[in-house]
Amino acid sequence: GENVEQHPSTLSVQEGDSAVIKCTYSDSASNYFPWYKQELGKGSQLIIDIRSNVGEKKDQRIAVTLNKTAKHFSLHITETQPEDSAVYFCAASPPPDYKLSFGAGTTVTVRA
Amino acid sequence: DGGITQSPKYLFRKEGQNVTLSCEQNLNHDAMYWYRQDPGQGLRLIYYSQIVNDFQKGDIAEGYSVSREKKESFPLTVTSAQKNPTAFYLCASSLDRVNTEAFFGQGTRLTVV
Repeated sequence: GENVEQHPSTLSVQEGDSAVIKCTYSDSASNYFPWYKQELGKGSQLIIDIRSNVGEKKDQRIAVTLNKTAKHFSLHITETQPEDSAVYFCAASPPPDYKLSFGAGTTVTVRA
Repeated sequence: DGGITQSPKYLFRKEGQNVTLSCEQNLNHDAMYWYRQDPGQGLRLIYYSQIVNDFQKGDIAEGYSVSREKKESFPLTVTSAQKNPTAFYLCASSLDRVNTEAFFGQGTRLTVV
């Protein structure tokens, strides 16, 4: 099955700086890569996703890049704000079941 | 408002007892999922259902059971056979199983006392 590794496990950044989280996956057939943000008491929400036919996707301060050859994808958060503090999970979805396999999560803390 | 609701938020269980976690969605989603979250680990899939009256084992189904009698509901029973049930449980749903956004509930924290 798919194996997703996520690094780092914790990340502390100064407000206004950038944060980068990296994930690698094992199944080259995976073709969908979502990122979820988990906030205390608010559940998990999809913040951005990318499909295998695209190398990069951006949504305001958040971007995701995908390198299919190397089988890794990354989340980039620019101009970080205190409300970006949360746990972030990456996931990969391979056929035929398209079950999401999640990374272990990264706890991001933005220091004011 | 459409969404996915888990209850209760906190649950305490005595050893040897079965307990059922509720998950309800009004998003008209076909697919529903149960995940377990432990510290330092990613979300691990317990069971999933792609359609009413059908469900499949995930990666860590032992000691758990589910039912999908209605499209809106996917309850998870943690049985006494689950050796280490203390964890945070997340339910999710998606429009279908193929690469669509999963919506998560707020989770149930189960503690065995």
